[in-house]
Amino acid sequence: SQQGEEDPQALSIQEGENATMNCSYKTSINNLQWYRQNSGRGLVHLILIRSNEREKHSGRLRVTLDTSKKSSSLLITASRAADTASYFCATDAPGANSKLTFGKGITLSVRP
Amino acid sequence: GAGVSQSPRYKVTKRGQDVTLRCDPISSHATLYWYQQALGQGPEFLTYFNYEAQPDKSGLPSDRFSAERPEGSISTLTIQRTEQRDSAMYRCASSPSLGQDTGELFFGEGSRLTVL
Repeated sequence: SQQGEEDPQALSIQEGENATMNCSYKTSINNLQWYRQNSGRGLVHLILIRSNEREKHSGRLRVTLDTSKKSSSLLITASRAADTASYFCATDAPGANSKLTFGKGITLSVRP
Repeated sequence: GAGVSQSPRYKVTKRGQDVTLRCDPISSHATLYWYQQALGQGPEFLTYFNYEAQPDKSGLPSDRFSAERPEGSISTLTIQRTEQRDSAMYRCASSPSLGQDTGELFFGEGSRLTVL
């Protein structure tokens, strides 16, 4: 079963534009993480935000967390063609025995 | 090693055959995970190890699936009497974290299994 649900399922933007991806989840969490997966490759960790944090930045990435709404958003600013990939949110729930539960993912296409 | 290594990268087998997939995690990492990922879906948890202990195997789909990590390093995932529905990408990940708070996972490239 998958706890996180990303929205939209697919996103197509022009290079230079910002991309916003959303994730909603169902249960309380210790932390929420975002991963990127390039076609045919493994998943790469992007950023982790803890349940007591509201916003975090890493380079062109900005992630927010609203635990009252059980939602997170990932913003990629000044997108590049190389950002074309699938993006997954993953949640670490208390008592979940150290396992991350992933959503179905968002396919981002950045047109050059 | 430098990263998580999985083998084979691709495996094609006939229905009914047994298959073993191997994962070599980052050498300092205590925790190792197996995930199954169908095309167009996110990874689904199968099982995980803390060193050689296997605290949670609740995600294994049936008793045809088993995993080992006998010396707390390399792990194998074995699927007996494979069925077509077992076709998927099998992903291994490792993490230095132990305990309740799961940190960053480091994924291998995956093993794509096709059952004919």
